[in-house]
Amino acid sequence: GESVGLHLPTLSVQEGDNSIINCAYSNSASDYFIWYKQESGKGPQFIIDIRSNMDKRQGQRVTVLLNKTVKHLSLQIAATQPGDSAVYFCAESISGGATNKLIFGTGTLLAVQP
Amino acid sequence: DTGVSQDPRHKITKRGQNVTFRCDPISEHNRLYWYRQTLGQGPEFLTYFQNEAQLEKSRLLSDRFSAERPKGSFSTLEIQRTEQGDSAMYLCASSFGSAKNIQYFGAGTRLSVL
Repeated sequence: GESVGLHLPTLSVQEGDNSIINCAYSNSASDYFIWYKQESGKGPQFIIDIRSNMDKRQGQRVTVLLNKTVKHLSLQIAATQPGDSAVYFCAESISGGATNKLIFGTGTLLAVQP
Repeated sequence: DTGVSQDPRHKITKRGQNVTFRCDPISEHNRLYWYRQTLGQGPEFLTYFQNEAQLEKSRLLSDRFSAERPKGSFSTLEIQRTEQGDSAMYLCASSFGSAKNIQYFGAGTRLSVL
């Protein structure tokens, strides 16, 4: 029901610590994955992406790891800052598909304590 | 600002009324997507345009919903005879060419049906 959807998984970390947000995807045919950050009242903001021919990709303070065997994706944020507080979504798609529509997972609320 | 622009940001309407939302994608982005997001959930795909052609519609898009992209630039999403269950955030995203899988989102239009 609606009340279940309001109870987002939450990760609470101290400022300066590293954060790891996990995601399980559903379609073994998916070959492209994206992490988005969504702040309250805003649209999803692109963070980092990874294709299925890679296991790891690094950006600025962020790293995405992909384990295709168990269909698992993770986002690591180094030296977490208060500005990182937001809901984080992983999304999957089939890049060779006609639409490349994104299928989003359940978000994780990251709360950074100062 | 050269990001995806959506208008209006908020819309309050009475049940049974028609509403129309507009999306202006990033310039030169040929692919345009509409998603719907309810509280606590990830965005759900509604429909996709490549240039002016609507190539896919989700089962979520009932016959009360219609979307257009007449000149391959901006797009409109119309909901006829709104119902309380239509209350949600309607998000537009666009992408382009070789980076076609990176979808950039607008801030969304929040619809409240009373």
